[in-house]
Amino acid sequence: DIQMTQSPSSLSASVGDRVTVTCRASQGISNSLAWYQQKPGTVPKLLIYGASILQSGVPSRFSGSGSGTDFTLTISSLQPEDVATYYCQKYNSAPWTFGQGTKVEIK
Amino acid sequence: EVQLVESGGGLIQPGGSLRLSCAASGFSVSSNCVSWVRQAPGKGLEWVSVICSGGSTYYADSVKGRFTVSRDNSKNTLYLQMNNLGVEDTAVFYCARRVLPYYGDSTWGQGTLVTVSS
Repeated sequence: DIQMTQSPSSLSASVGDRVTVTCRASQGISNSLAWYQQKPGTVPKLLIYGASILQSGVPSRFSGSGSGTDFTLTISSLQPEDVATYYCQKYNSAPWTFGQGTKVEIK
Repeated sequence: EVQLVESGGGLIQPGGSLRLSCAASGFSVSSNCVSWVRQAPGKGLEWVSVICSGGSTYYADSVKGRFTVSRDNSKNTLYLQMNNLGVEDTAVFYCARRVLPYYGDSTWGQGTLVTVSS
């Protein structure tokens, strides 16, 4: 099975900073990748699918890029409400594996 | 309004069985992909299973042979039959919906807690 590895596991940044989270697949998955945000005590929320397509209603400061094995989620200007854990998920074929998550905090 | 409501969680002894339900409204489970995703306390998301419009089912290796996903189109409800449960299955179980595999899970239920303990 294809493994999904996120880095870093956690990060701390200041409000207004540009933040990048990386997700690497152990084999190519084309652009079959989604990003989710999970705030403490809440259910996951879809941010991006197709590696780079912003889900309706998601702020434009979030963006995704990549194809094949390497993907990134970027927050262009970190806001206090972005404190959350972010997960990538591949779905080119089953199993639809999640990455282990990246916890984003405010410095 | 598109909505998913899970039920059926609870405390179960190791080796026991439990059936979770995921009642859908605002869309038809027969024409969408609905997944089960679980989250152990303090841990990350783990994909468990999915059934899509064609009826094919897929499972994570960790549950293959023990869990079975099914749906009742007349009740617009998805089920997860879980057998031979172990303490490692303790988690909040979510059901999540996507229109097609490409689009990501845009709707999630609130989750139901399964606790496996003696």
